[in-house]
Amino acid sequence: AQKVTQAQTEISVVEKEDVTLDCVYETRDTTYYLFWYKQPPSGELVFLIRRNSFDEQNEISGRYSWNFQKSTSSFNFTITASQVVDSAVYFCALSEDYGQNFVFGPGTRLSVLP
Amino acid sequence: EAGVTQSPTHLIKTRGQQATLRCSPISGHTSVYWYQQALGLGLQFLLWYDEGEERNRGNFPPRFSGRQFPNYSSELNVNALELEDSALYLCASSPRLAGVSYNEQFFGPGTRLTVL
Repeated sequence: AQKVTQAQTEISVVEKEDVTLDCVYETRDTTYYLFWYKQPPSGELVFLIRRNSFDEQNEISGRYSWNFQKSTSSFNFTITASQVVDSAVYFCALSEDYGQNFVFGPGTRLSVLP
Repeated sequence: EAGVTQSPTHLIKTRGQQATLRCSPISGHTSVYWYQQALGLGLQFLLWYDEGEERNRGNFPPRFSGRQFPNYSSELNVNALELEDSALYLCASSPRLAGVSYNEQFFGPGTRLTVL
């Protein structure tokens, strides 16, 4: 069965600090997809990134970077030089095959203080 | 391009009543997903519709049901409302492309259902 664990329930940082959000997943499939979503206070989930199980390259997009390590079943998300606007709940998610089992982690609430 | 839309934004019902929530996917998307986000419980998968058929449902009682219309819009019905049904209900859509086994889901703003 699939499972996504985000051990950090809440994180608080001061603006300009770097912060890493952890995501550990479980799956028996060899083909799967990992996602990160952001849910700002407005409530609407915003897609950040998708990674398939065959692509272990790390990715950087501006201040965001993702570290995918199959050996540890982790897909961690780092925000560099955090800003107040980064305050949100961040969800890691896993899908095996065609989206019929799309599982979200419990989310990590990030508060960036000015 | 218009995003996923949901209506109503807020819905207030009393225990025992029925609620109907609506979702319009992004144009060209054939799959619609429904999620419940209750306070402190994270996102729970409810239902998945694709091409008018229910493809999968989460661990929810039968009083949670829905359908997908020929234009791919969808409706979620919750019968015999209970207090614990109070939550944000999110709808998401994704395209189905031949030969691609998965695409990301695009979420709507949600309907906040309050059961009194």
